Amino acid sequence: DTAVSQTPKYLVTQMGNDKSIKCEQNLGHDTMYWYKQDSKKFLKIMFSYNNKELIINETVPNRFSPKSPDKAHLNLHINSLELGDSAVYFCASSPRQGDTGELFFGEGSRLTVL
Amino acid sequence: AQKITQTQPGMFVQEKEAVTLDCTYDTSDQSYGLFWYKQPSSGEMIFLIYQGSYDEQNATEGRYSLNFQKARKSANLVISASQLGDSAMYFCAMRPYGNNRLAFGKGNQVVVIP
Repeated sequence: DTAVSQTPKYLVTQMGNDKSIKCEQNLGHDTMYWYKQDSKKFLKIMFSYNNKELIINETVPNRFSPKSPDKAHLNLHINSLELGDSAVYFCASSPRQGDTGELFFGEGSRLTVL
Repeated sequence: AQKITQTQPGMFVQEKEAVTLDCTYDTSDQSYGLFWYKQPSSGEMIFLIYQGSYDEQNATEGRYSLNFQKARKSANLVISASQLGDSAMYFCAMRPYGNNRLAFGKGNQVVVIP
């Protein structure tokens, strides 16, 4: 069983469209994250949720809206897609807020905006 | 905010040789964790090794060891006996204790040649 799973793995869409990426973790973790990896491979945190509560919102445009229906799921909805949104989006989880351990990453979702 | 610096250009390493990947960081936090992740061409983020700022011993995990020099704020990764499967991007990351923000460096590309 995959610990942190994201769907879809690949997403190709037109500018202006709205799309969602789903993430689920079966590790029983309290904390989940979205990271964006740009074309230069730089990884930057976007959001962090702890037990469905938003903890970090890292100056991300309002077009990005995360939603956590329960602590095992964290979805990312993106409105009015722009070319610059093309990137790999990683979901991750960790056991507790502010703990010292590593993050467990999903396989990434590659978004291409045409 | 923490800053993680990885400045080495892409590296070519002979199979079975050791390679050291440099990482320096800048933080005002006294308590933090340091991490190394591997990202092969398939794209997933693989956790390799962790070092706590208060750990007196350098961390080791199989062929991976972390050369931690707290006063110099460096956390270099040493991969011993390189294998072809070690070809990947390697990311250094840091997270202050009690903080969800795991911040990444820009990565080092390593290519192992037979």
